Amino acid sequence: DAEITQSPRHKITETGRQVTLACHQTWNHNNMFWYRQDLGHGLRLIHYSYGVQDTNKGEVSDGYSVSRSNTEDLPLTLESAASSQTSVYFCASSEGQNNSPLHFGNGTRLTVT
Amino acid sequence: GIQVEQSPPDLILQEGANSTLRCNFSDSVNNLQWFHQNPWGQLINLFYIPSGTKQNGRLSATTVATERYSLLYISSSQTTDSGVYFCAANTGNQFYFGTGTSLTVIP
Repeated sequence: DAEITQSPRHKITETGRQVTLACHQTWNHNNMFWYRQDLGHGLRLIHYSYGVQDTNKGEVSDGYSVSRSNTEDLPLTLESAASSQTSVYFCASSEGQNNSPLHFGNGTRLTVT
Repeated sequence: GIQVEQSPPDLILQEGANSTLRCNFSDSVNNLQWFHQNPWGQLINLFYIPSGTKQNGRLSATTVATERYSLLYISSSQTTDSGVYFCAANTGNQFYFGTGTSLTVIP
C-alpha cells in the first residue's frame, strides 16, 4: 500500500541548531504539504509544493525552508531552531488534480530546548 | 482563503450515544474531507465528500455544498471514537482546516 513516511518520529534539539525533518511518499503524488500542529491553533500550513522544483510559502513559513528535488520527498529544514518551533509536524500529499483527497504521515514531534 | 468553522469545539458522550458534528465553510469548495485524529496523534481519512451522503459503518457524512456545510454523524459511539475530528475544505490544490471537535466517549 502507498504511504507517507516521516522521520524521525521524535526529535530533541537545541536552540540554534539546524534540523531537517524527512517526508517520503509512495503515492506518486504531485502535491506535498508541511503543517505544524499546536494546541489552540489546529493545523497551520508551513510550506507546500505542487511538483518537482516547485515550492511555496504557507501562512507560518518564517524560519523554515523546503526543497523538492524529486516527486517522493519534501524535506523540511529549520535553519536555526527556536523554542517557538517546538511542535508536532505533519507531512501530507495529494494527487494534484481537483477533487483528490489529502493523505497524512504519522507526524514528527520536535522539541527545541 | 476560505474560513472553516467546526462545532461544537468539545463533546462528551456516554458510550452508545449518537452525535452530529458540524463544519461550515465560507465559500464554494471543490470538496470536503473529514479526518479523525486518534489519541496517538494519527490523522485518519474518514470521508472525502463534495456533496450528498456517504456511509462507512457507524459513521456517515453529508455535505450540502449549496448551503456550505457538512455534517459528520457518529452512531452508537465507542470509546475508540475518542479524539479530535477535523474537516478540511478543498479548493483546487489547497486545503483549509477547521480547528476541530474534541470528542470524548465515556464507558
